[in-house]
Amino acid sequence: GAVVSQHPSWVICKSGTSVKIECRSLDFQATTMFWYRQFPKQSLMLMATSNEGSKATYEQGVEKDKFLINHASLTLSTLTVTSAHPEDSSFYICSASKSTGGYEQYFGPGTRLTVT
Amino acid sequence: DQQVKQNSPSLSVQEGRISILNCDYTNSMFDYFLWYKKYPAEGPTFLISISSIKDKNEDGRFTVFLNKSAKHLSLHIVPSQPGDSAVYFCAASAGSGNTPLVFGKGTRLSVIA
Repeated sequence: GAVVSQHPSWVICKSGTSVKIECRSLDFQATTMFWYRQFPKQSLMLMATSNEGSKATYEQGVEKDKFLINHASLTLSTLTVTSAHPEDSSFYICSASKSTGGYEQYFGPGTRLTVT
Repeated sequence: DQQVKQNSPSLSVQEGRISILNCDYTNSMFDYFLWYKKYPAEGPTFLISISSIKDKNEDGRFTVFLNKSAKHLSLHIVPSQPGDSAVYFCAASAGSGNTPLVFGKGTRLSVIA
């Protein structure tokens, strides 16, 4: 199998606070993990590529100081939304590719963030 | 500039019939293609993939066809079942698993009983 979990599955926070989302590969090691954001009825928008032990690579237009990514181990990456605003409300999804190789990415179930 | 295009935002098919979802791409460097299925408020689930060295890959009810010269691929689902109703994303890769996938905007498939 290739199972990826995310925690929490949904979170509501107040404007100005920070929220941390965890992405874990449960039964495989993932050198690389990816963070996506999905707006209603739209496609997945890649935010950043996270490599274990190194700095994340952010896509153009994504503020790295606002969306902090840490990939401290081969099974865990975290996304912290700092000083959240209502426009940060979205569905955040992570994916992971196996360290053993292969093109497939395995997705987590997503985290629904609502900022009030 | 959209490198992976799914021009049909939605498709309705009767149960038992064939569903054909189409995908076009522009980047000739893409060498691996994947289809994902997504239910609302869930992460995408990997369905089937194909390497650019092949023109067909089959897995049960799902078959993916690749036409490199036309830069076109399609996913066939036969027979379609109501549980297949979901959004299907086409994705392409120009590298390895460490390279981000490029996704299309998705096609919402509705299988009507």
